[in-house]
Amino acid sequence: KNQVEQSPQSLIILEGKNCTLQCNYTVSPFSNLRWYKQDTGRGPVSLTIMTFSENTKSNGRYTATLDADTKQSSLHITASQLSDSASYICVVSARSNFGNEKLTFGTGTRLTIIP
Amino acid sequence: GAGVSQSPSNKVTEKGKDVELRCDPISGHTALYWYRQSLGQGLEFLIYFQGNSAPDKSGLPSDRFSAERTGGSVSTLTIQRTQQEDSAVYLCASSWGGASHEQYFGPGTRLTVT
Repeated sequence: KNQVEQSPQSLIILEGKNCTLQCNYTVSPFSNLRWYKQDTGRGPVSLTIMTFSENTKSNGRYTATLDADTKQSSLHITASQLSDSASYICVVSARSNFGNEKLTFGTGTRLTIIP
Repeated sequence: GAGVSQSPSNKVTEKGKDVELRCDPISGHTALYWYRQSLGQGLEFLIYFQGNSAPDKSGLPSDRFSAERTGGSVSTLTIQRTQQEDSAVYLCASSWGGASHEQYFGPGTRLTVT
């Protein structure tokens, strides 16, 4: 069964500090991995999308890494800001035999930045 | 341009009633998805529309759930004879193509079944 597990479930850090969120998956055959940011009461917003051949991708202060061998990904946030407080969701896409793709969502990490 | 919109933003209904949730995707997006997000749970895929192809209904949890997409644009998710376990946030997303394309999410409809 395709699964995506994220850790920690929640994290509280001081403004200006860095943090790293983890994602482990057992999805196959792997197609791509995405990180989304979801503010409270809003829909998820895409941060990064990585394919099998990419092992790092940045979007401003967000840097995602992917190790397809160990099936692990991380999202590193640098110099956190209060606006980074949100849930961060890891999503892994599997390619089906029919050519389409199915997404498996992690339960997310709830990040709180305190001043 | 305008993003994905959903209505209503909140819906409270009594157990046993039917509800309709609406999604207006981004203009020109051929793919539309419905997801359910229960408290403390990850997003759960419900149904996927792609162009004129038959929808992928594999995520619908029961036959009380149905969805349609009229004219390749607006979609309606219908839940019949609602149960308390249907309480969740229902999210709609659209994209230019299949699941390999970036999905843009709406703000969701929070459904509460009392």
